[in-house]
Amino acid sequence: QKEVEQDPGPLSVPEGAIVSLNCTYSNSAFQYFMWYRQYSRKGPELLMYTYSSGNKEDGRFTAQVDKSSKYISLFIRDSQPSDSATYLCAMSPISSGSARQLTFGSGTQLTVLP
Amino acid sequence: DAGVIQSPRHEVTEMGQEVTLRCKPISGHNSLFWYRQTMMRGLELLIYFNNNVPIDDSGMPEDRFSAKMPNASFSTLKIQPSEPRDSAVYFCASSTQYSNQPQHFGDGTRLSIL
Repeated sequence: QKEVEQDPGPLSVPEGAIVSLNCTYSNSAFQYFMWYRQYSRKGPELLMYTYSSGNKEDGRFTAQVDKSSKYISLFIRDSQPSDSATYLCAMSPISSGSARQLTFGSGTQLTVLP
Repeated sequence: DAGVIQSPRHEVTEMGQEVTLRCKPISGHNSLFWYRQTMMRGLELLIYFNNNVPIDDSGMPEDRFSAKMPNASFSTLKIQPSEPRDSAVYFCASSTQYSNQPQHFGDGTRLSIL
């Protein structure tokens, strides 16, 4: 069993829809949670970052963490064609101070249709 | 600001040949990560450096893979001899050494071994 599970999709939605992307994890040591967006033939770019349970909002994006269920989500409101990309969840344990090793989900491919 | 710079962007070579991938991290970042991305296995950490020193190379698949970081602004990942199963996209990422800082990715090297 992988430490981080993510539905690979593909997911196709109409423009303006609310998108929900999810990951589950098995390692209780994971305390930091991130969402990366990866456009075709580009490197992943950080979208959201959180280390606590609950919600964190940034514009049209909301990251949700439920540590008791080991479940994280990314919601995209009013989705746009420019949101079409692969979304990767990533997580890591508490670090003693050095740079953090990330464990990534396999990514969900999202297409927003105009 | 210049991001993480990787070269070459594409590499096609025959099996058995030596392959060298290059990375220039963001200035001021002292942690550097090499990842490999494939459809089957997703994004996997190969090795990471803090202050030019390799910290964890447990993700390096075989002795055919080696990585160096001779100074703070340059790193190489070498495969010798290369095999078709090494075909993948290789990403370099950098961050500051502090545990709460995100990793910034380059656009990757797309490697094809024939």
